[in-house]
Amino acid sequence: EAQVTQNPRYLITVTGKKLTVTCSQNMNHEYMSWYRQDPGLGLRQIYYSMNVEVTDKGDVPEGYKVSRKEKRNFPLILESPSPNQTSLYFCASSSPITSERDEQFFGPGTRLTVL
Amino acid sequence: QKEVEQNSGPLSVPEGAIASLNCTYSDRGSQSFFWYRQYSGKSPELIMFIYSNGDKEDGRFTAQLNKASQYVSLLIRDSQPSDSATYLCAVPNQAGTALIFGKGTTLSVSS
Repeated sequence: EAQVTQNPRYLITVTGKKLTVTCSQNMNHEYMSWYRQDPGLGLRQIYYSMNVEVTDKGDVPEGYKVSRKEKRNFPLILESPSPNQTSLYFCASSSPITSERDEQFFGPGTRLTVL
Repeated sequence: QKEVEQNSGPLSVPEGAIASLNCTYSDRGSQSFFWYRQYSGKSPELIMFIYSNGDKEDGRFTAQLNKASQYVSLLIRDSQPSDSATYLCAVPNQAGTALIFGKGTTLSVSS
């Protein structure tokens, strides 16, 4: 089954404790991305990757890191989480996103609470 | 930066009615438009894609593009309670590296 998986699905942590949210896709997609979703603000892109070892900032990258060492995996790293990073996080993957054939698939989401 | 605007709703319709959801966009050069459905607490799911060459129908869903007025709409015919969700409109950014999402319209279909 074609899918994007994320782990953990739910996480409660404390300020400053480093954490990693994993993302993996089995569709051999080149493009992967992280979004956060907040009430009243909608979905906003954090980072994206066009291919292995190629990553770049999205609209809200502050406080986050990513890596793309393998095509299927794109982990999101919070080195020192703060309460304003409490959010619902989605990983997504696709081939190029601008054509009709290339749907952007979303993972199930990770609900993060930083106390 | 491209912008996408949607009424937050809620839009309430009775079962069996037509639900009409609208989205306006700022960049006249935009050509690709996506409609995603998101149930509460779940991930967005693509339901329609429309390119610049006009209307598109898929089952009970019809996407309509009005380039002159810079809006794209989604019509849901014979609305069902299971259609109750938030509908997100999105366009690719100019670099093709992200989707720019509207904040979504919440639809409630009552039985």
